[in-house]
Amino acid sequence: DAKTTQPTSMDCAEGRAANLPCNHSTISGNEYVYWYRQIHSQGPQYIIHGLKNNETNEMASLIITEDRKSSTLILPHATLRDTAVYYCIVRDNYGQNFVFGPGTRLSVLP
Amino acid sequence: EPEVTQTPSHQVTQMGQEVILRCVPISNHLYFYWYRQILGQKVEFLVSFYNNEISEKSEIFDDQFSVERPDGSNFTLKIRSTKLEDSAMYFCATQGDMNTEAFFGQGTRLTVV
Repeated sequence: DAKTTQPTSMDCAEGRAANLPCNHSTISGNEYVYWYRQIHSQGPQYIIHGLKNNETNEMASLIITEDRKSSTLILPHATLRDTAVYYCIVRDNYGQNFVFGPGTRLSVLP
Repeated sequence: EPEVTQTPSHQVTQMGQEVILRCVPISNHLYFYWYRQILGQKVEFLVSFYNNEISEKSEIFDDQFSVERPDGSNFTLKIRSTKLEDSAMYFCATQGDMNTEAFFGQGTRLTVV
């Protein structure tokens, strides 16, 4: 079972920042937080991952709380093409598979 | 950007027939996965594969399923005798190192009739 909980759905206005929360209260010290998204029925697309420090790349920023029990994915300027299901996944780096929950369906509105 | 390539993109097969789904991983990747997604449901793990053997498999991956890397490049998923409930999108994922992200292919849509 997924070790994370996310809201079922969210809306965001085009051009605004989309902030997607994720709770992972049982995360252990060697587990990373990964974010993927899935547009329609395409293959999941990697976005970003982190352990405890905040991370940023060309797609998004990942903010992890100091106690690591929750995190937020930030899409700084959402576009219509960012409409997708976003998955927050907790995984160690010793060979665990990626366990997908139901994710958050983000709708970016014009 | 390197890609994971899956073929075919869509396959229709009769119940009871064998199907083989193919995946060409990113070059130099060593860890391989198969996932499936039944329409409207979540992405489910089937099996992981490393060093020419299965690392982990789920309850879904019963003896009707098998995986192999026959020629050192392609990674295949075989379903021996398909059932209607095997209809789903099947995604291959590959990973260069267990400390890094996995990259997913665009999937094969399997329809069993």
